[in-house]
Amino acid sequence: DAKTTQPNSMESNEEEPVHLPCNHSTISGTDYIHWYRQLPSQGPEYVIHGLTSNVNNRMASLAIAEDRKSSTLILHRATLRDAAVYYCILRDPLETSGSRLTFGEGTQLTVNP
Amino acid sequence: ETGVTQSPTHLIKTRGQQVTLRCSSQSGHNTVSWYQQALGQGPQFIFQYYREEENGRGNFPPRFSGLQFPNYSSELNVNALELDDSALYLCASSGDRVIGSPLHFGNGTRLTVT
Repeated sequence: DAKTTQPNSMESNEEEPVHLPCNHSTISGTDYIHWYRQLPSQGPEYVIHGLTSNVNNRMASLAIAEDRKSSTLILHRATLRDAAVYYCILRDPLETSGSRLTFGEGTQLTVNP
Repeated sequence: ETGVTQSPTHLIKTRGQQVTLRCSSQSGHNTVSWYQQALGQGPQFIFQYYREEENGRGNFPPRFSGLQFPNYSSELNVNALELDDSALYLCASSGDRVIGSPLHFGNGTRLTVT
């Protein structure tokens, strides 16, 4: 599986934008980039995914570098509820185990009031 | 739509015992997968079931087994429990086998082996 590299931790202030980086230099041409987050005492929660183009949804935006070797999850206005561990994951569409996600250690986001 | 629910939320077992964890998937989701999450680490894939058959397994021994039922419920069974099996066990369901379909996770069962 292609690996991702994320900072162990990041800090933000409430109502400010947050940019969470992810490096995936060995990404294959068909790998999708997925982001999940895990709030305390909960299971992971899907945030967003993309292949080549930038993506937006109600939760966040995903900016993908032109060479696809890195991406950034953008939370436009952080709230205290966004404090969580954020995981950047590559998903191979050729993987026969379609729901097999390879989690790293993720980025622990702290949001200060 | 109902979410993914798991039971029990917490469980304490003794080394050598057997345990069964249960999961109820979202209605219409034919794929269920199980993950083990040790403290401070990301979840690790155990296996996946699709329409009641296992069709993918991570690096876990055969004493980890599962069942999936037609009513969108499933079980994770662990035999001969070891201390290192202490972890949060997560169940996730998804609607189909097409990549990109988000996984919906339950909040897990916290298993402690003493």
